[in-house]
Amino acid sequence: RKEVEQDPGPFNVPEGATVAFNCTYSNSASQSFFWYRQDCRKEPKLLMSVYSSGNEDGRFTAQLNRASQYISLLIRDSKLSDSATYLCVVNWGHFNKFYFGSGTKLNVKP
Amino acid sequence: NAGVMQNPRHLVRRRGQEARLRCSPMKGHSHVYWYRQLPEEGLKFMVYLQKENIIDESGMPKERFSAEFPKEGPSILRIQQVVRGDSAAYFCASSPSDSANEKLFFGSGTQLSVL
Repeated sequence: RKEVEQDPGPFNVPEGATVAFNCTYSNSASQSFFWYRQDCRKEPKLLMSVYSSGNEDGRFTAQLNRASQYISLLIRDSKLSDSATYLCVVNWGHFNKFYFGSGTKLNVKP
Repeated sequence: NAGVMQNPRHLVRRRGQEARLRCSPMKGHSHVYWYRQLPEEGLKFMVYLQKENIIDESGMPKERFSAEFPKEGPSILRIQQVVRGDSAAYFCASSPSDSANEKLFFGSGTQLSVL
């Protein structure tokens, strides 16, 4: 089983739609969780950390479910500029190793 | 405060040559990670270094690849006798400490093309 698994998509949605991605992780002792965004052929950029209580940043909401070992990202009122690949990242803590999912591709259409 | 700096942005090598990729972490960051990304694939961990120490190199191929992060200067990822399969984007990331809650900050990457 991969350390971090994501649905590759693509998710094709119209502007203004709400879209959600899930990500599962294999290590129940994982300590920290993040969503990164990667635009085509560019470096990943931190979108948001994911906290146990859930957290929101504008149109973006992240949730963590430790019991089921998954994290989610909800994007409300999608914009064309949200089109990108969203990477789920989990840090096991041990040796401070960050594991990346393969990414979920989002295409927001006019 | 400059971000993570990688150079060169693009590197072209012929089969059998050596490739050297450089990464200067953000100011105040002493932890460096190297990742490789093949086209249409995710980031694969290669190596994690602190100043003068390799902490985890479990993702590094056993042959031809090496990495260092000297006391002075940038971190270097070195690929000897490159082959076509080494063509990929190589990203470096840094963090200020080994706390599990620290975030990674990425450089713009080096696109290696092997002819």
